[in-house]
Amino acid sequence: AQSVTQPDIHITVSEGASLELRCNYSYGATPYLFWYVQSPGQGLQLLLKYFSGDTLVQGIKGFEAEFKRSQSSFNLRKPSVHWSDAAEYFCAVTPGQTGANNLFFGTGTRLTVIP
Amino acid sequence: DTAVSQTPKYLVTQMGNDKSIKCEQNLGHDTMYWYKQDSKKFLKIMFSYNNKELIINETVPNRFSPKSPDKAHLNLHINSLELGDSAVYFCASSQETGAQFFGPGTRLTVL
Repeated sequence: AQSVTQPDIHITVSEGASLELRCNYSYGATPYLFWYVQSPGQGLQLLLKYFSGDTLVQGIKGFEAEFKRSQSSFNLRKPSVHWSDAAEYFCAVTPGQTGANNLFFGTGTRLTVIP
Repeated sequence: DTAVSQTPKYLVTQMGNDKSIKCEQNLGHDTMYWYKQDSKKFLKIMFSYNNKELIINETVPNRFSPKSPDKAHLNLHINSLELGDSAVYFCASSQETGAQFFGPGTRLTVL
């Protein structure tokens, strides 16, 4: 069965500092991989996705993520965090096969940004 | 224009009632989904539906039923509401294997 692990429940960084949020998945083949962000009281916004090809993917708001097959990881990074980045971040996977693809989510990482 | 919209945003009701949440997408997507987010923010798939099939997560009670009047809508009906149904429910849509786009969520509170 698919599973997604986000080992960090809560991360606090200073504004302007770099950020890395960890995500590991467990799946037989290479799934499709996603990062979503959820601001308080809001829905989920897609930051970036990986289907195939270049393992370093760029997303919105200055985020990027790197797929590492050998480590079954898809970590999210940002070189300089802004106060508005404070939110809940979810890593998710789907099997990547034709047809409806249910997303399996990690438990999320809450990011706090301090001035 | 809102890509995926849900109504209502908040829903407060008594145990035992029947309620519906509506979802509409204007993205022309083939597939729509319902997710439940519990109090610990964990998101879990409930249903996925396209014009070919409905896939139900086996853990979802049969009190929950999706209804799709057309490709742009997937409504969620809940019968005999229970306290444990309190959660935030998200609708989403995608083009088959594409990325899913989420609605703003409906916070359901069962008293």
